[in-house]
Amino acid sequence: DIQLTQSPSSLSASVGDRVTITCRASQSVSHYLHWYQQKPGEAPKLLISVTSNLESGVPSRFSGSGSGTDFTLTISSLQPEDFATYYCQQSYSTLFTFGPGTKVDLK
Amino acid sequence: EVQLVESGGGLVQPGRSLRLSCAASGFTFDDYAMHWVRQAPGKGLEWVSGISFNSGSLVYADSVKGRFTISRDNAKNSLYLQMNSLRAEDTAFYYCSKDKAFRYFDSMDFWGQGTLVTVSS
Repeated sequence: DIQLTQSPSSLSASVGDRVTITCRASQSVSHYLHWYQQKPGEAPKLLISVTSNLESGVPSRFSGSGSGTDFTLTISSLQPEDFATYYCQQSYSTLFTFGPGTKVDLK
Repeated sequence: EVQLVESGGGLVQPGRSLRLSCAASGFTFDDYAMHWVRQAPGKGLEWVSGISFNSGSLVYADSVKGRFTISRDNAKNSLYLQMNSLRAEDTAFYYCSKDKAFRYFDSMDFWGQGTLVTVSS
């Protein structure tokens, strides 16, 4: 199975901060790496697919990059509605896996 | 509007069985793979199982292989998860999700609100 790790596991930030979350795969997933946002009590929401493709309706302050084993999700200017948990997920292998999540909360 | 509505969750004793259902609407169901993803209370997301658009490919996480069976009925726009030999560690919210790619496995672009399965004596 392809294992995904995320760093940091949590972070505290202020509105307006630039936030970067890293996802690392145990082997290459090519560009088949996706990012989700989940708020308490809600279902996950797809933010970015295949590394850098921003989903419809997702603000442009979100961006993704990377390839192979190392990927990043960047929020250029954190907004109040962005406080949530973020997960990466790979679909390179059909044994799909999620990362453990990164919780972003208010400093 | 895409809608996914899960049902069938509840309290079940260890070793017993439960069948989850997901009713889909708002898209051409038989063009997309579907998944089940679970989340234990306060924990992260765990992919459980996926099924291709035509049921030709069924895939399972190691943690449920041999105990859970995914299926779909394209005529009824419905997805199912038969869960046998349930264990306490299967306790979680179970989400039904739609794959984004046309007739392929990729990311999950729509999710239901989840149904809670509690395995306890």
